[in-house]
Order: sequence, then structure tokens, then C-alpha cells
Amino acid sequence: RKEVEQDPGPFNVPEGATVAFNCTYSNSASQSFFWYRQDCRKEPKLLMSVYSSGNEDGRFTAQLNRASQYISLLIRDSKLSDSATYLCVVNTLIKAAGNKLTFGGGTRVLVKP
Amino acid sequence: DVKVTQSSRYLVKRTGEKVFLECVQDMDHENMFWYRQDPGLGLRLIYFSYDVKMKEKGDIPEGYSVSREKKERFSLILESASTNQTSMYLCASSGEARGYTFGSGTRLTVV
Repeated sequence: RKEVEQDPGPFNVPEGATVAFNCTYSNSASQSFFWYRQDCRKEPKLLMSVYSSGNEDGRFTAQLNRASQYISLLIRDSKLSDSATYLCVVNTLIKAAGNKLTFGGGTRVLVKP
Repeated sequence: DVKVTQSSRYLVKRTGEKVFLECVQDMDHENMFWYRQDPGLGLRLIYFSYDVKMKEKGDIPEGYSVSREKKERFSLILESASTNQTSMYLCASSGEARGYTFGSGTRLTVV
């Protein structure tokens, strides 16, 4: 089983609609969680961190469910510019001074007019 | 903003060549990482380092080595390049237990 799993999509979303997708992780000791966005042929860029209480950044809402070991991302009022691959990322402490991020395979979102 | 610079955007090398991929960060971060990204496989961790002269194997270290002689520089070495090492290589840096900043990547083709 992969450490971090995502539905690869693509999710075809009409402009203005809401889309949501999840990511599951297997290591219950994982400490922190992130969503990254990656555009075609570009490097991943941090979209937002994910907190237990849930957090919102504009049209984006992220949620963490530790009991069921998944995180979610919801995008409201989708824009064409939201088309990208969204990577779920899980951070695990490896040593006292180090940490390791494990990436999901990404969920591709295509927003269409 | 943290800047992570990878020395080459595109590289073409021959099978059997020794290849050096360089990565430099300018924010005094302790942690640096090398990933490769392949279609359908996502990002996979090759090696990481949490201090100068320290290195740890990631998930796919075979065929690679690394060097961290200075805090700001983390080099990935392909001792004898093979065609299955054709990939996008991404370096990342992190100063604390949170997200990374990535370099813009090096697309390596081994022929």
C-alpha cells in the first residue's frame, strides 16, 4: 500500500462549480499535512497547510481527519486558473532535527468554461 | 522568499557518464532533499540531508549518491547514468517541520 494515496483524476469541473477530493495516508505517526499545486512542467508550490480544525484560504478549504487518516481539499467557485495537479503531502519526523515529506501521486483538476 | 536554484534546467547525457546535479539554497536551511518525478509515479525521494555532511537514503537511492559539504549546497550524483534515470529531478529545501520550497527542476535525458 502506498504511504499517501490520491485519486489521479482528472476531475473535470465547470467554471464556477465546487470540487472536492481526498487523500489518504497510512502512517498514523505523520505530523503535518500540506496541499501543493503543480502546473504542467513546473515545480510544486505550497498551496496551504492543513490543520486539524480545518482551515480556509479564500476559495480553498482544507480539512484533516486523523481518526480516518485522510485530508481533503475543496475549491469553491472554480476558476480556469485552478486547473493544475494538486499534490497531497504528509510530513513525518525521521530524526530529531529532520523531517521527510511523502507525496501523493497528485489529483489532476481541469476547469472548463 | 527562499530561493532554491538548480544549476541546469535541461541536461542530455550518455549512458555510463557520471552526472552531477547541483542545488543551492539561500536561506540557511538545515534540510535539503532530492526527488525525481515520473509520470504515473509522482515524486519519489532519492536522498535527503538534515545537516552538513549528513545524508539519509530515501525511497529509491539505488544508482545515486549525494554530497553535502556546505550547508547551502546539496549535490546529486549519478555514478554511471542509465536510461532508466531519465526523469525530472527536483531539489527542495526546508528550515523547519513544514513545507518545502522547490527548485525549478532539472529535466535529465540519458541516451
